[in-house]
Amino acid sequence: SQQGEEDPQALSIQEGENATMNCSYKTSINNLQWYRQNSGRGLVHLILIRSNEREKHSGRLRVTLDTSKKSSSLLITASRAADTASYFCATDRSSGSARQLTFGSGTQLTVLP
Amino acid sequence: ETGVTQSPTHLIKTRGQQVTLRCSSQSGHNTVSWYQQALGQGPQFIFQYYREEENGRGNFPPRFSGLQFPNYSSELNVNALELDDSALYLCASSLMPGGWDEQFFGPGTRLTVL
Repeated sequence: SQQGEEDPQALSIQEGENATMNCSYKTSINNLQWYRQNSGRGLVHLILIRSNEREKHSGRLRVTLDTSKKSSSLLITASRAADTASYFCATDRSSGSARQLTFGSGTQLTVLP
Repeated sequence: ETGVTQSPTHLIKTRGQQVTLRCSSQSGHNTVSWYQQALGQGPQFIFQYYREEENGRGNFPPRFSGLQFPNYSSELNVNALELDDSALYLCASSLMPGGWDEQFFGPGTRLTVL
């Protein structure tokens, strides 16, 4: 089952605009992560935010976390055509001693040149 | 590039057959996790291996099994293939036991079951 749900499912913007994607999750978390996936290929880790953090920045990325609403948002500023990809949020849970990442269904971002 | 490779890139099988997918982790990474990603969905955790032992499993039936070898390579085996097994299969390697550090994903194997 999917722990997180991203919103919107698809987003299309012009180059230079900002893109905002939202993620909601169901259970309490230790941290939340955002990943990027190009064209159904491998996932690339973008940023991790811990449950005691409210905001985190990395380059053009800004992530917020609201644990009271069980939601997070990813903002990409000054978007580029190369940012076109699917973006997923993921939370952690334990499966035995293993870390099990539980992903949402993703937001497909298209940045038009 | 993450340094994690998977083979083959694409694979077509028929229902009822068996398939083996391969993953080569980053050197030194003793933990490998496998995920199944259906079209339009996020990845779902299948299982994880640490030093050749399964140490965690998601909600997948026993016909999904794995092996991990001392040379940082691993396999995902699926028996009695079903149409719903069609998906992108991703492996992810990590240095720490349990994969509680960053996981590095391979490019995936696209499996189509006809």
